[in-house]
Amino acid sequence: GQQVMQIPQYQHVQEGEDFTTYCNSSTTLSNIQWYKQRPGGHPVFLIQLVKSGEVKKQKRLTFQFGEAKKNSSLHITATQTTDVGTYFCAGSAGGSYIPTFGRGTSLIVHP
Amino acid sequence: NAGVTQTPKFRILKIGQSMTLQCAQDMNHNYMYWYRQDPGMGLKLIYYSVGAGITDKGEVPNGYNVSRSTTEDFPLRLELAAPSQTSVYFCASSGTGGVMNTEAFFGQGTRLTVV
Repeated sequence: GQQVMQIPQYQHVQEGEDFTTYCNSSTTLSNIQWYKQRPGGHPVFLIQLVKSGEVKKQKRLTFQFGEAKKNSSLHITATQTTDVGTYFCAGSAGGSYIPTFGRGTSLIVHP
Repeated sequence: NAGVTQTPKFRILKIGQSMTLQCAQDMNHNYMYWYRQDPGMGLKLIYYSVGAGITDKGEVPNGYNVSRSTTEDFPLRLELAAPSQTSVYFCASSGTGGVMNTEAFFGQGTRLTVV
């Protein structure tokens, strides 16, 4: 079945440093979504990418979808303590609306 | 809008007991999901439904059952609870209408401990 791998599992950064998490799929995706889960909270939708090579920005967050639609990344510039949480990618493939989630990357920001 | 509502928020079960986790959404979404989240393991799909009367197994369905008699409700039933079912359970829903309309909305979660 479809697998979505996400790395790294954890990332410690000093406040102000940049952060990137990577997502790779074993199959070509029709779309990929990114979610953020604050500690003790529930996943909250951030963005969806659909087109090959697509790049979207939300303030300090930059999301990319690979040309082959098999990988994606989330980059945060100049992290802040409010960025703390676990970031998940979720990919859908084969015309299915059932997303497969990666394991997530937990971001820890040290002030 | 309430979005996705899950009850209860916390529950402690004894081994062998049964319980139903409730989930309701008021967004008229066709797709509903149940996930479990264990520390460091991400979200694993237990069951999902693409509409009233239709359910299907996800990645980890053993020990669970679901029903979808209405669009709004998607309860998850645990029969004969086991310690391995200690986890945080999330219900989610998403609409249909093409590839651009699959954002999932999550409930607040149910933290279940089986002792």
